[in-house]
Amino acid sequence: AQKVTQAQTEISVVEKEDVTLDCVYETRDTTYYLFWYKQPPSGELVFLIRRNSFDEQNEISGRYSWNFQKSTSSFNFTITASQVVDSAVYFCALSEANSNSGYALNFGKGTSLLVTP
Amino acid sequence: DGGITQSPKYLFRKEGQNVTLSCEQNLNHDAMYWYRQDPGQGLRLIYYSQIVNDFQKGDIAEGYSVSREKKESFPLTVTSAQKNPTAFYLCASSITGASNQPQHFGDGTRLSIL
Repeated sequence: AQKVTQAQTEISVVEKEDVTLDCVYETRDTTYYLFWYKQPPSGELVFLIRRNSFDEQNEISGRYSWNFQKSTSSFNFTITASQVVDSAVYFCALSEANSNSGYALNFGKGTSLLVTP
Repeated sequence: DGGITQSPKYLFRKEGQNVTLSCEQNLNHDAMYWYRQDPGQGLRLIYYSQIVNDFQKGDIAEGYSVSREKKESFPLTVTSAQKNPTAFYLCASSITGASNQPQHFGDGTRLSIL
């Protein structure tokens, strides 16, 4: 069963628009961690943020913000005033403290964001 | 600079041939991972290693093999038993294998069939 769902396959916005990338997760663990990664066209995954299951505080880092809601099992990512350099595939991932897979990341299928001038 | 180096960037495999993808890290990380990425898909775990001389199968280990003889190196061999090897392969490492540790990724190797 898919543990992380990113329902938006592709999103296209015009520069300076705000955009929210959705992430819904599924786990029975009480202790888990959520991550967002960015994959630019070069291919390397770049770590953006980690959130643990006990901390529901939202976080802002420059133009990026994250909204973690345990009640809806969601960890959404918002880019404010998008720029062309934000164009990339964004992955949400889940790591469970009691996983059978050595704490490897469970990835969603990614959302491809295209920001046009 | 510290980081993860994957080589080669592009690799071509002939039928019946084994090929090895290199992954080296100078971050002094204990844990290392191999993922496979297919178009429009997320990353799927092939193998992982939490410490030197130890490794475990991931979700799609069939047709692949690994070794972890040195802390900094975690090569992946794609064997002839892997019938559909065309994909983008990403190596990652983390300080430890703990679930709260972010993983850091290399630039990837793109493998194609000749």
